[in-house]
Amino acid sequence: ETAVFQTPNYHVTQVGNEVSFNCKQTLGHDTMYWYKQDSKKLLKIMFSYNNKQLIVNETVPRRFSPQSSDKAHLNLRIKSVEPEDSAVYLCASSSRAETLYFGSGTRLTVL
Amino acid sequence: GEQVEQRPPHLSVREGDSAIIICTYTDSATAYFSWYKQEAGAGLQLLMSVLSNVDRKEEQGLTVLLNKKDKRLSLNLTAAHPGDSAVYFCAVSASSGSWQLIFGSGTQLTVMP
Repeated sequence: ETAVFQTPNYHVTQVGNEVSFNCKQTLGHDTMYWYKQDSKKLLKIMFSYNNKQLIVNETVPRRFSPQSSDKAHLNLRIKSVEPEDSAVYLCASSSRAETLYFGSGTRLTVL
Repeated sequence: GEQVEQRPPHLSVREGDSAIIICTYTDSATAYFSWYKQEAGAGLQLLMSVLSNVDRKEEQGLTVLLNKKDKRLSLNLTAAHPGDSAVYFCAVSASSGSWQLIFGSGTQLTVMP
């Protein structure tokens, strides 16, 4: 049963636009993550948030920023999208960092 | 830092056959090992996990083997069926204390009827 909810499922936009993706978890977890999955299925962690504090940021461009209102929500904003941002963005949550629960992802296409 | 290599990238088997996916890692202090399954259009789902003190674990047609000497982790699907077709990822915990998961590059498994 899905407990990490992502919206939208798909988003198509043009270069330079701003986009925002939503993620909500109903598991009561303390930590949430954003991963980028490229066309070859490779996973790259972008952000990790624990109690509203950013604890991991892996060389992500500054146009990306996480936004959290509470520990159940972690949104992802991209200020000015570029073609290389086309990917699937996966949100996840955990209570123990070694076990992640993933949402179904948001597929971004930048034209 | 930790490096994880996963192979093969693609694997096709017939229904009822076994499918074996292997990951190798570099950090001997790695403590936690897991396998995830990603079906088409979905997120990753945890299949099975083991701690470093476990060599073998079996659950519902899946066998995970951990060889700490060779730093090798494997997933064996016995009697695969078409519903097992998906992308499989290994993941290991970093030993740095941050407990950030390091994922393998994935294996696209296709099970043909």
